[in-house]
Amino acid sequence: QQPVQSPQAVILREGEDAVINCSSSKALYSVHWYRQKHGEAPVFLMILLKGGEQKGHEKISASFNEKKQQSSLYLTASQLSYSGTYFCGTPLGGSEKLVFGKGTKLTVNP
Amino acid sequence: DTAVSQTPKYLVTQMGNDKSIKCEQNLGHDTMYWYKQDSKKFLKIMFSYNNKELIINETVPNRFSPKSPDKAHLNLHINSLELGDSAVYFCASSHRRTGGNEQFFGPGTRLTVL
Repeated sequence: QQPVQSPQAVILREGEDAVINCSSSKALYSVHWYRQKHGEAPVFLMILLKGGEQKGHEKISASFNEKKQQSSLYLTASQLSYSGTYFCGTPLGGSEKLVFGKGTKLTVNP
Repeated sequence: DTAVSQTPKYLVTQMGNDKSIKCEQNLGHDTMYWYKQDSKKFLKIMFSYNNKELIINETVPNRFSPKSPDKAHLNLHINSLELGDSAVYFCASSHRRTGGNEQFFGPGTRLTVL
């Protein structure tokens, strides 16, 4: 079951904040976040393994609400380098099989 | 040193041909994957091997055959190529862990079938 991401696309000015949501109709064992820049490979951002877990990497953080079966990625004071497509992935049945959402395209303009 | 490498980077071929894509990782990971990313950027897993054993085999035409000669290599052979096979194919690797683990992706192979 593919997780659903929202919004599909977002355009920001440098310094603005954004939130990307990822939800599933099935129980989530963990949530993985990746960023893919145009013409490049996806790059790992973080994994949230437990409900209620929050993680951060510089000005990018995420939360995982296991009960609500959703995760959110927070981008604070966005930089031009944050532009790209963000994917959330959830392992099917706790396995290694990651099912990715359709992605959220983030564009940060000067 | 490149962590996950793929060859070739670009592959342009005619319908009906057979082609292979090679992948190698030097991270010491025990699990490797093949993903297909279509023109709409949808990233979908195709296969996964753990220590040379096939553990994930998605609903993929049997024209696609993965082969893992050792745990550092995972190759993808495609027979009788079709137009719909045009996509970017990514290889990835990770340490196996329940709930999944950080996956390192190769640079991708852009396959164009004419």
